[in-house]
Amino acid sequence: QKEVEQNSGPLSVPEGAIASLNCTYSDRGSQSFFWYRQYSGKSPELIMSIYSNGDKEDGRFTAQLNKASQYVSLLIRDSQPSDSATYLCAVNMIGGSYIPTFGRGTSLIVHP
Amino acid sequence: EPEVTQTPSHQVTQMGQEVILRCVPISNHLYFYWYRQILGQKVEFLVSFYNNEISEKSEIFDDQFSVERPDGSNFTLKIRSTKLEDSAMYFCASSESARGNGYTFGSGTRLTVV
Repeated sequence: QKEVEQNSGPLSVPEGAIASLNCTYSDRGSQSFFWYRQYSGKSPELIMSIYSNGDKEDGRFTAQLNKASQYVSLLIRDSQPSDSATYLCAVNMIGGSYIPTFGRGTSLIVHP
Repeated sequence: EPEVTQTPSHQVTQMGQEVILRCVPISNHLYFYWYRQILGQKVEFLVSFYNNEISEKSEIFDDQFSVERPDGSNFTLKIRSTKLEDSAMYFCASSESARGNGYTFGSGTRLTVV
């Protein structure tokens, strides 16, 4: 079974701290990795995509990919209460398909 | 910013009835998708559509479901003979390419089957 695993949380961090969200995947052939943010009752919103090993930074967000260890992470610097949401990891090329498989998501709570 | 539009935002239907969920993808996108999310569960792929035909579908997308692009802008999901367990958020998404640089999701239709 091809899977994308995330700790459901909640992950609680104080405002201004770094939030670290992790995701592991089962298919070594996976090629594209995405982080989406989903507020309660809303649709997923793409935050970051990463395709190569290493770090990719966009504003307060940094995605980290390690294909050898089959994990991808998302760091949120200077966390704000507005970052409180569920963060979904999505991975494609699982089983040879370009269709992303989503993890269950990690709930992040940033408290003032 | 271009967006994917879905209607209606909320649909309540009686068990056994047929529903049609509508989507207007981003105009220059060529690949269209339907996903669903049962309350508290993960986002699940239903079907992808390209060049006026289904390109991939999941186990969930059985004979109860169908998709259509009736004109140049709309993309619809039809669910026949709805069941209680079809209650979920249904998201339409589109992308420029098959590999995707990530999808743009619509705001979703909350389907409640009673």
